[in-house]
Amino acid sequence: QVQLQESGPGLVKPSQTLSLTCTVSGGSISSGDYYWSWIRQPPGKGLEWIGYIYYSGSTYYNPSLKSRVTISVDTSKNQFSLKLSSVTAADTAVYYCARVFLGRPGWFDPWGQGTLVTVSS
Amino acid sequence: QSALTQPRSVSGSPGQSVTISCTGTSSDVGGYNYVSWYQQHPGKAPKLMIYDVSKRPSGVPDRFSGSKSGNTASLTISGLQAEDEADYYCCSYAGSHVVFGGGTKLTVL
Repeated sequence: QVQLQESGPGLVKPSQTLSLTCTVSGGSISSGDYYWSWIRQPPGKGLEWIGYIYYSGSTYYNPSLKSRVTISVDTSKNQFSLKLSSVTAADTAVYYCARVFLGRPGWFDPWGQGTLVTVSS
Repeated sequence: QSALTQPRSVSGSPGQSVTISCTGTSSDVGGYNYVSWYQQHPGKAPKLMIYDVSKRPSGVPDRFSGSKSGNTASLTISGLQAEDEADYYCCSYAGSHVVFGGGTKLTVL
């Protein structure tokens, strides 16, 4: 059974770059059947899709975040990562990673437990 | 892109049925049969309840059903139970990207 686990700093200063990693266990990130995605949720608010990546490195990003987002994959470590630059308080959120079925965009399953990132000086 | 439009809250008594709507445009909900629904309890990660408009993953009770008409998708929960009280989010493919609804809080009275 595939499991995902987010990791990274819980506090980032304004204007700096937020960096998170998602470690996949119980399955290979190099499986051609899935994309791997990041989604966030500000406290008390709704979900926002950030983007996803295929094991080959192909990426798709939320148009509203595209200028600040980079998602990358490390197949040797079975991990994928998120970098969000020039962060502000509005980027404070719980960040989730999730698996997406190829050919089924929007089918996010399973999800990691989420990690809270606070942007504050 | 704009979030899909959902009612902020709905409520129902145990045993009743409730329907949550999700309104988009012809560029997302109306243009693709890739609408999914997620249930989220407080402090927990979202859980997939419906995908491809009306399909249920293994383990999801058949009390949960999905449908779509034009630019509006709907999630219906029949035979409401106390444990159904949660936030529900719709999600749609929008051509190379994905958009979520703003979420609906379901209260079981």
